[in-house]
Order: sequence, then structure tokens, then C-alpha cells
Amino acid sequence: GAGVSQSPSNKVTEKGKDVELRCDPISGHTALYWYRQSLGQGLEFLIYFQGNSAPDKSGLPSDRFSAERTGGSVSTLTIQRTQQEDSAVYLCASSLDATYGYTFGSGTRLTVV
Amino acid sequence: DQQVKQNSPSLSVQEGRISILNCDYTNSMFDYFLWYKKYPAEGPTFLISISSIKDKNEDGRFTVFLNKSAKHLSLHIVPSQPGDSAVYFCAVNFGNEKLTFGTGTRLTIIP
Repeated sequence: GAGVSQSPSNKVTEKGKDVELRCDPISGHTALYWYRQSLGQGLEFLIYFQGNSAPDKSGLPSDRFSAERTGGSVSTLTIQRTQQEDSAVYLCASSLDATYGYTFGSGTRLTVV
Repeated sequence: DQQVKQNSPSLSVQEGRISILNCDYTNSMFDYFLWYKKYPAEGPTFLISISSIKDKNEDGRFTVFLNKSAKHLSLHIVPSQPGDSAVYFCAVNFGNEKLTFGTGTRLTIIP
């Protein structure tokens, strides 16, 4: 597609439930990133995929968070047993080369109640 | 430790005047610097960038200045327009294939 697509745009879930967030990157972009922005905070790095290399998971805040990227394209971020502190906007981005920046999607606003 | 700091959470500027947003970063050998702009309910969009071999890059109303000795980056917008009201994030590529972002500065242009 023309841009990075994320779904859903909004998600409200009950504490303790699992959620899946989807990202469809720009066609041909080999790198895919997940960030999140909590209220009043900056953009926090979560995970990075590059081609067929092992992902950089150094930003995942706990083992409740996981992500996969199937076929080098679509990615899913899964949060298990959601907690209220997981409430944030989850942003996906893709790029050809991170050096020159990347293109973000519009994000998924997750609210855990 | 690789950090990016934007010490001003908000800034208000009169329309037509200059807006100056600041960013400080920690030391690294391989630096590339970017500014992103974010409107509510949208993802950040790329605005302007500069490599460490330059000290200035200009694109229309936007100019980014890099002071490597001070490890300081600034974005100048002149003249400021109401549509410039947004949150601005400074980002640094420290050479590890991902961007590290600052906490952002909310710019409000007063008509």
C-alpha cells in the first residue's frame, strides 16, 4: 500500500485479556518497528525486524509482550494479560534504511480498563 | 547510554515569529538526526534531517542546526504558522539501526 496501515485504530479491553495489534508496512520495506507512546511520554522503542534476521527485542517491557512478522511483511504485536499500564498508542513504522528515518502508521490507541 | 532529551515540554509562539525547538543527545560516533512532527490521532511524520558532517540543513521555513561540540540540535521554523501547531520529536540514529526519540515538545502557534 501507499502507507503503513495499522488496525484496529482504537481498542478498549478489560484488564487481563489478550490483545493483538496489526501492522501492514509499506511494500518493499525490509525494516519494521514497533514503538509506543504513553500519556505524556516520548516514543518508546519496543521491537525491530529487519529482513530474515533475528528481531531486536530489547525494548519489550515484559514477557507479556511478543511480536512476529510473517513472510517479511505483516507484523502482529501481542500483549497477554493486559494491565492498565499497557494503555498507550502503539505505533508501527517501516523503512528501507533506518539511517534516513522511517514512515509511521497512524497507531492503535489501546485502553485497558 | 544513548539518550535524547527535549527539555521543553511545551512552547507558545506568536504567528509570524520564529519558533525554536531544542534537543540534546549523548555522545556517539555514528549520528544522524531527524525531526518528526505529530498531530493528534496521527502517526509522526518526517520533517527534516541532518547528518553529522553538516552543521545546518534548510528546507523552506524549516532549518535544523547541529552543534556537535555541544551535542545540541535545534529546529527553527520561520515564519511560524497556525498549521505548525503540533508535537515535535527529535530523533537520533546512533548507528544501531533504530531511532531513539526525545519526549517531544508541544508547539502552539498563537494567531
